[in-house]
Amino acid sequence: DVKVTQSSRYLVKRTGEKVFLECVQDMDHENMFWYRQDPGLGLRLIYFSYDVKMKEKGDIPEGYSVSREKKERFSLILESASTNQTSMYLCASSLLSGSGANVLTFGAGSRLTVL
Amino acid sequence: AQKITQTQPGMFVQEKEAVTLDCTYDTSDPSYGLFWYKQPSSGEMIFLIYQGSYDQQNATEGRYSLNFQKARKSANLVISASQLGDSAMYFCAMREWETSGSRLTFGEGTQLTVNP
Repeated sequence: DVKVTQSSRYLVKRTGEKVFLECVQDMDHENMFWYRQDPGLGLRLIYFSYDVKMKEKGDIPEGYSVSREKKERFSLILESASTNQTSMYLCASSLLSGSGANVLTFGAGSRLTVL
Repeated sequence: AQKITQTQPGMFVQEKEAVTLDCTYDTSDPSYGLFWYKQPSSGEMIFLIYQGSYDQQNATEGRYSLNFQKARKSANLVISASQLGDSAMYFCAMREWETSGSRLTFGEGTQLTVNP
């Protein structure tokens, strides 16, 4: 089974702190994604990557950056956390092509609270 | 304009009955795919069903079927014989192959509650 693992299930950080959210997948997927989930807004794409060292902005990239140094790992970075970044963060991966490209596999999510 | 719209924030259904969750979409891309995901209270997103824009028949997966009406741009999820374990948040999503490649755009979600 494809597995996407997010390093932290719950985090509490203070305003201004630098925050790292880590995501690792074990099925050699090319694509990796970071989404943010808020009530009434659904999931919104922050960044995605289709290859090592490649990244593309999603719909809400402001205040975030990402890093993909290895194919299996995709990190989301909040350079200076703010209270409006309190949210659930979901990592996902998929194949780049073929029928498997149709399905995103998600991690369990990381719930971040910024005080 | 909203690309994916789910107009039902909450739905209730009796156990063993069928329920339809609505989803409308907006795209000018001729090649697209529509997805439904389930998110139980545990938080993990579970893929349920997929419909391609060129598929002639409605997709089915067990108790899940997708009522695809291309001209109306709707992709409603039908769950037959509801079970208590179907209580969850359900998200409709779309991939526009030419416009945005591998990216999925999600709707706001519908919270389904199955009553015993």
